[in-house]
Amino acid sequence: EVQLLESGGGLVQPGGSLRLSCAASGFTFSDYAMGWVRQAPGKGLEWVSAIDNSGTNTYYTDSVKGHFTVSRDNSKNTLYLQMNDLRADDTALYFCVKEVNSGTYFSRFDCWGQGALVTVSS
Amino acid sequence: DIQMTQSPSSVSASVGDRVTITCRASQGIRSWLAWYQQKPGKAPKLLIYVASSLQSGVPSRFSGSGSGTDFTLTISSLQPEDFATYYCQQAHSFPLTFGGGTKLEIK
Repeated sequence: EVQLLESGGGLVQPGGSLRLSCAASGFTFSDYAMGWVRQAPGKGLEWVSAIDNSGTNTYYTDSVKGHFTVSRDNSKNTLYLQMNDLRADDTALYFCVKEVNSGTYFSRFDCWGQGALVTVSS
Repeated sequence: DIQMTQSPSSVSASVGDRVTITCRASQGIRSWLAWYQQKPGKAPKLLIYVASSLQSGVPSRFSGSGSGTDFTLTISSLQPEDFATYYCQQAHSFPLTFGGGTKLEIK
């Protein structure tokens, strides 16, 4: 069974940092592109970032460029999101997602984790 | 960036009704569109991909159509478990973008 388990969320002050992790199981992690999607409380879905299967190519939504970094460790079957200089509007539930392809192109997310809650507040 | 606009933002319907949700892209995305269902407190679930292909395990009462800029998700006969929020997502180009969502409520 494909599973994605996020960890690392929590309460952080504005300007602070957090690193989210996503442990993957049930599939050959190194074959698939991965990503992050977030959902602010009571709001819709927002794509945040993606990374191809090798970790060579990364992609970001404009609002997080320069202060979020996505990476992966294929030897540990784990996806990461390093979040720096956090702002109040980064407060959201962050979902780890699996793409059905390697990252040559992206078409859909067929598996989602349950999410990690990040709250940015003083 | 490609903007995705869903309509309506909410709809009330009864069990057995046929419901159609629309998603419009601000520029052509060919068939690079997916639909997701999200229930309260749960992660989204993939329903439809490349505009009209049904994800494995999804009931056949769900269908998708469209290409270019205009797309629809249709539920042919609503079941109690279908009351949820639905999102479209374009996969044509980065940044990937979602529609604002359509909340399907029980009448």
